[in-house]
Amino acid sequence: GAVVSQHPSWVICKSGTSVKIECRSLDFQATTMFWYRQFPKQSLMLMATSNEGSKATYEQGVEKDKFLINHASLTLSTLTVTSAHPEDSSFYICSASDPSGSRRDTQYFGPGTRLTVL
Amino acid sequence: SQQGEEDPQALSIQEGENATMNCSYKTSINNLQWYRQNSGRGLVHLILIRSNEREKHSGRLRVTLDTSKKSSSLLITASRAADTASYFCATYRAQKLVFGQGTRLTINP
Repeated sequence: GAVVSQHPSWVICKSGTSVKIECRSLDFQATTMFWYRQFPKQSLMLMATSNEGSKATYEQGVEKDKFLINHASLTLSTLTVTSAHPEDSSFYICSASDPSGSRRDTQYFGPGTRLTVL
Repeated sequence: SQQGEEDPQALSIQEGENATMNCSYKTSINNLQWYRQNSGRGLVHLILIRSNEREKHSGRLRVTLDTSKKSSSLLITASRAADTASYFCATYRAQKLVFGQGTRLTINP
């Protein structure tokens, strides 16, 4: 149980285009999902917290107009990188927490999306 | 900023040996978690240890927690090539999971 999927697993786009990444919790409902960015050989940095039915909370230094987050249902959150530039190339990972029972302190991570902006 | 600092940053050992990774953190915690990340993949939750626990086992994994020193260690016994990965400790700060810098573990056959 507690599986999180991401789509696509990798994407290459031209500079100036927008890219949408989906994060789904497959077998549980996630009221909260998180989006992280990871540069090569570095740790995960939290970008934003996505709450179902409300606006996302962004971390300091993350541009909300550039990284649009939508959490329209209890099983789906999307991250749209708008007007992507080469410096946005990174590994984007989502996670979801299952608020029920003993797993509420654990986050379950998607497999990540490798974004390359040319 | 990162909550945890991990050492070593990289560790290379022979298959069959034990691997020990350490994590230090700065603020008080309710629990500390360890995750594994294979290259280019997502994170896999390994183990959670609560602040009132001192040691926890899961298969070949042994985690210790010393809240007085604000440190934790992850021991992998009888390492296998498949254990090659990056390992991260993580704690909650303001309801957000904050990761250490990670240890890149390489198991040589």
